Amino acid sequence: EAEVAQSPRYKITEKSQAVAFWCDPISGHATLYWYRQILGQGPELLVQFQDESVVDDSQLPKDRFSAERLKGVDSTLKIQPAELGDSAMYLCATRRSTSGGSSYEQYFGPGTRLTVT
Amino acid sequence: AQRVTQPEKLLSVFKGAPVELKCNYSYSGSPELFWYVQYSRQRLQLLLRHISRESIKGFTADLNKGETSFHLKKPFAQEEDSAMYYCALSVGGFKTIFGAGTRLFVKA
Repeated sequence: EAEVAQSPRYKITEKSQAVAFWCDPISGHATLYWYRQILGQGPELLVQFQDESVVDDSQLPKDRFSAERLKGVDSTLKIQPAELGDSAMYLCATRRSTSGGSSYEQYFGPGTRLTVT
Repeated sequence: AQRVTQPEKLLSVFKGAPVELKCNYSYSGSPELFWYVQYSRQRLQLLLRHISRESIKGFTADLNKGETSFHLKKPFAQEEDSAMYYCALSVGGFKTIFGAGTRLFVKA
């Protein structure tokens, strides 16, 4: 069964350094989400892509975070510079399409746990 | 503002006892609600969706628009139900807002 892949699984970085996360969606899934999950909280949407276009990035701290999904397939989330408060789990999720049938279900990757020291 | 509230961070029940995980939402439009579950060392995954009105692993959830609630229920809890449960609200068919989650612990 196809799964969403993320790498790295764990990342430790010093504050002010740059860090990047990668997500490989399930083949054919047009919608891709990046979430941040702080310990003890639910996932919080950072950015949503439909194919290669950003649909919603209203919660993305754009002064330090950036996201791209070139060619509408895999995606990269970058933080530069990292701050102590960025320590969290970063989850990628994908969905088949935005309308019809069973397209509503989001499939989650294993996440990248970021620790900023 | 759209919001999902799960008032209990931890719920502990004995095996065979009924369980109810509470979820309340705030949304002025027509809500689309979900329950996601994360078992130990596994990924977050969809448990059920209110529109489908189905029972998954013995769990059901009924949308109560008057009380703006979508509580998850199971008549007889099993040890394998121990997990983290998240209630989620889909807004406009796109953005999904998650609650903070409730950890269910089923004791033998």
